[in-house]
This record gives sequence, C-alpha cells and structure tokens, in this order.
Amino acid sequence: ETGVTQSPTHLIKTRGQQVTLRCSSQSGHNTVSWYQQALGQGPQFIFQYYREEENGRGNFPPRFSGLQFPNYSSELNVNALELDDSALYLCASSLGGGLVGETQYFGPGTRLLVL
Amino acid sequence: AQSVTQLDSHVSVSEGTPVLLRCNYSSSYSPSLFWYVQHPNKGLQLLLKYTSAATLVKGINGFEAEFKKSETSFHLTKPSAHMSDAAEYFCVVSPPPYNNNDMRFGAGTRLTVKP
Repeated sequence: ETGVTQSPTHLIKTRGQQVTLRCSSQSGHNTVSWYQQALGQGPQFIFQYYREEENGRGNFPPRFSGLQFPNYSSELNVNALELDDSALYLCASSLGGGLVGETQYFGPGTRLLVL
Repeated sequence: AQSVTQLDSHVSVSEGTPVLLRCNYSSSYSPSLFWYVQHPNKGLQLLLKYTSAATLVKGINGFEAEFKKSETSFHLTKPSAHMSDAAEYFCVVSPPPYNNNDMRFGAGTRLTVKP
C-alpha cells in the first residue's frame, strides 16, 4: 500500500509569485484535504476535495485554490504569495467523503518559504 | 464554537517514566476527539480517537486517553516513555456533523524524552 506523497519537499518563493503544491493520495482514497501549519502552531484546514469536487473550505481567501484529478491526486495553488503564507502545507487522504469516523492519512508536507 | 487547548507547549520526561499530555476541549455538542503525533519530517499519524463509544480509548504504541465530559478533558497518557516517543503531539476536536472539514487542531505539545 502506497502512502501519501507530496512534492516538492521544500520551496522558496518571493512575495507576489504563484505556487503549486502536489499531493498523491493513498491508493484507493477518494478524498483529499489540505492544511496549513504555521511554525509553532497546529494545522489549519484549507479545503477538501471529494471525487473531484470541493467538499468544504476553511477560512482562507480565494487566492488559495485547488484541484483534484480523476486519479484522486490533488494540487494546491496559491496566488499572490504573502510573507504569512510561509508554512508547512500538509495533504491528507481518506476514503469516503471526509467523515470524521474515518482515518486521515497525512503526507510529510511541503515547506514553503516566502521571501 | 469548538476548540482545543493543549495546556503544555513542552513536556520533558525521562525514559521509562509516565507521560501525561493534557488537552481540554470546548464544544457545544458531544464532540469527536483525536490525538495525532508528528515526528520530524514525517506526516501526522493518528494515535487514537474518541467517537462517543468507550470513554477510555486505547491507541497505538501504548498510548491511551480518557474522555471526561465533566472536566471537558481528553488527556493522553502512556505508562512508560520510550526514546522513540519524542515528537510533537496534537489534540484535535471535531463536533457534529462529524466531518473532517471541522477538525480543529490544538497548538501542539512537544514531548522530549531524556535517556
């Protein structure tokens, strides 16, 4: 069974640029959630995709957007990067639409630094 | 509104001694509660979860937690710490309707294990 993978592992961007982060979900999982974890804080929910449709969104501005592909892999796109976007971005996959009774499997994350 | 407060940002124990990581929650309804562990450069891993069944929940690696509604607490314990337990631990709350969209992470407790 293949776990959740994310790419790249690290990324440095400058303010105003755009970035795309990628996530491959665990085999057979149809639900992907993205989280932002700022330094010294717990993860915060950005949004979730279930079978290629957005299935919920946290308190993040529209410049945070996403996609889920037919193979259930996913992208997180952030436009007009700001310094405060510097964080560890986590992807988690699960099976079944994001019900809390099911377990989420997290990837190792992408660490983004915005200068 | 639902939230969790992890009462200690850092806990240090000696190998072989008990571990206690404290978590208080706030929720208008009977919540689901979780503990996750995050090792450096690895994804978050679910330790255990409470979803209104038995109040004493046993997890992986010898950890357990007890749901105490009267105290609004969900403390994580382990009888004997091992060096490999050194990591960041997150308490998470999710209220009804039990969807991953509403998972709220605490700020985390860093556990250090001394030889």
